[in-house]
Amino acid sequence: GDSVTQMEGPVTLSEEAFLTINCTYTATGYPSLFWYVQYPGEGLQLLLKATKADDKGSNKGFEATYRKETTSFHLEKGSVQVSDSAVYFCALSDAGNMLTFGGGTRLMVKP
Amino acid sequence: DTAVSQTPKYLVTQMGNDKSIKCEQNLGHDTMYWYKQDSKKFLKIMFSYNNKELIINETVPNRFSPKSPDKAHLNLHINSLELGDSAVYFCASSQGPLGPNYGYTFGSGTRLTVV
Repeated sequence: GDSVTQMEGPVTLSEEAFLTINCTYTATGYPSLFWYVQYPGEGLQLLLKATKADDKGSNKGFEATYRKETTSFHLEKGSVQVSDSAVYFCALSDAGNMLTFGGGTRLMVKP
Repeated sequence: DTAVSQTPKYLVTQMGNDKSIKCEQNLGHDTMYWYKQDSKKFLKIMFSYNNKELIINETVPNRFSPKSPDKAHLNLHINSLELGDSAVYFCASSQGPLGPNYGYTFGSGTRLTVV
């Protein structure tokens, strides 16, 4: 079946540091890929997405590129802020009717 | 207006009780979902309804029963609550069969604590 693997957290960074959160996936078809963010006490929000190979999703300074050859969709940001502290979920949708999520990665950004 | 609203936000109850969580979306989406998030933040699909019809029913105890009176509502009823049911339950919606390709809209969650 489909699966998503993310790096375990927490990831602790200082403000303005470079962020990478790794995500790899296993799917039988050609999935769409997503990053969702969950701020404390809130539901998940769509951060960015990519629907085909080599697409780059971007939003709020975050980027991720759909790499079919490495089955990866790593999340990056050049300069994180304290307000980026949250849990980040990688997910895929593979022609079915639901999203499959990774285990989430907690990001803590210190001033 | 809140796009996907869940009630209650917090629910504390004793073992053996029966409780319901309600979810409503005002986005005109065709498909609604229930996810369970455990204490380690792992998200697991429980149910999915498309236009009031059940389309996904993962391995969930029979004590959990979803009800969709119309396509804007998907409620979750839980019988004989157990300690292991403690979790955050999220409702979500999407735009029909290809909806996931456009992303889900999530509610803010219901934190259920069974004591």
